[in-house]
Amino acid sequence: EVQLVQSGAEVKKPGESLKISCEGSGYNFTAYWIAWVRQMPGKVLEWMGIINPGNSHTRYNPSFQGQVTISADKSISTSYLQWSSLKASDTAMYYCVRSPAGGTFDSWGQGSLLTVSS
Amino acid sequence: DIQMTQSPSSLSASVGDRVTITCQASQDISNYLNWYQQKPGKAPNLLIYDTSSLETGVPSRFSGSGSGTDFTFTISSLQPEDIATYYCQQYGDLPHTFGQGTNLEIK
Repeated sequence: EVQLVQSGAEVKKPGESLKISCEGSGYNFTAYWIAWVRQMPGKVLEWMGIINPGNSHTRYNPSFQGQVTISADKSISTSYLQWSSLKASDTAMYYCVRSPAGGTFDSWGQGSLLTVSS
Repeated sequence: DIQMTQSPSSLSASVGDRVTITCQASQDISNYLNWYQQKPGKAPNLLIYDTSSLETGVPSRFSGSGSGTDFTFTISSLQPEDIATYYCQQYGDLPHTFGQGTNLEIK
């Protein structure tokens, strides 16, 4: 069974750093891209960027470029989303998703809820 | 960015009704259009990919059509378990973008 298991909910203060994870199992991790999608409270889905875990080639949504870093460690079938300095506006649910060819999201993680508040 | 205009934003229908949601892209995306279902408190789930292909395990009452800029998602006979928010998503160009969602309720 294909599974993407994300790290748990986080409560952080503005200015803090954070790295959340997404571990894939049940499939060849390097054969599929991993994308990250943001959903702010009551809001629509936003594609943040995507990584090929096989070669770490990454593409970002310009709206998120420079704000986050997407990475992957194929040796442990895990992708990461990280921030160096969080803002209150980063409060959202973050999903990792598996993508067979970069465009369709056929399997989703359970989501990681991030709350940034002073 | 390609803008995806989805309508209606909310919809109330009765069990057994035929339900239609539309999605219009701001430029030609060929057939690079997917549909997702998101139930409250859950992650989205892929229903339709490449405009009209049904994802494995998805009931056949769900269907999609269209090409270019205009797309349609249909539930042929609404069931109580179909209560959810539905999103279209284009992948014709980066960044991939989603519609604003249609909140479907039972009348």
